[in-house]
Amino acid sequence: KQEVTQIPAALSVPEGENLVLNCSFTDSAIYNLQWFRQDPGKGLTSLLLIQSSQREQTSGRLNASLDKSSGRSTLYIAASQPGDSATYLCAVGKPGTALIFGKGTTLSVSS
Amino acid sequence: EAGVAQSPRYKIIEKRQSVAFWCNPISGHATLYWYQQILGQGPKLLIQFQNNGVVDDSQLPKDRFSAERLKGVDSTLKIQPAKLEDSAVYLCASSLLSTGQGSGGEQFFGPGTRLTVL
Repeated sequence: KQEVTQIPAALSVPEGENLVLNCSFTDSAIYNLQWFRQDPGKGLTSLLLIQSSQREQTSGRLNASLDKSSGRSTLYIAASQPGDSATYLCAVGKPGTALIFGKGTTLSVSS
Repeated sequence: EAGVAQSPRYKIIEKRQSVAFWCNPISGHATLYWYQQILGQGPKLLIQFQNNGVVDDSQLPKDRFSAERLKGVDSTLKIQPAKLEDSAVYLCASSLLSTGQGSGGEQFFGPGTRLTVL
């Protein structure tokens, strides 16, 4: 049974810091990995999708990497801003199935 | 491009009452998912549709939950009767294709319906 773990559960940083969010999964036979952002009381916003044949994806200040052999993904946020404060969720998918989510990392960026 | 639409956004009901949620996916998306997100947890799949057929409903409490996707577009999720533990956010998501079919497997989520059962 696939399990997804995100560490840390919560993180507080001052504005401008570079930071890394971690995601690990137990079954490496995944097809893709998706990172989401969730603001309080809102739905999920897709940030990055990494397919199993890819090693990383970049969007603006965000960079996500995937290492299937070790069952790990990281989300790197450069030059953090207060507007980045949210919960970040990692989810993995296998062909024909829905996503399996971690519990998320709640990020707080102070100005 | 319009995103995934859901209604209502909030619902408060008494236990043992019934409730229904509606979802309109992104136009042209064949796959539709309903997830349940309990406070402090990640979303968990309730049911997955491919067009108007059910792909996976193994985690749907079928004694009280039902869902349909008529004509392969809109979907409704119903709870009858509701229990206290059903208090959660119900998220609808859609994707162009199913997971395993390239970037078309990327899932897009609606704003969710927050259900409170008293």
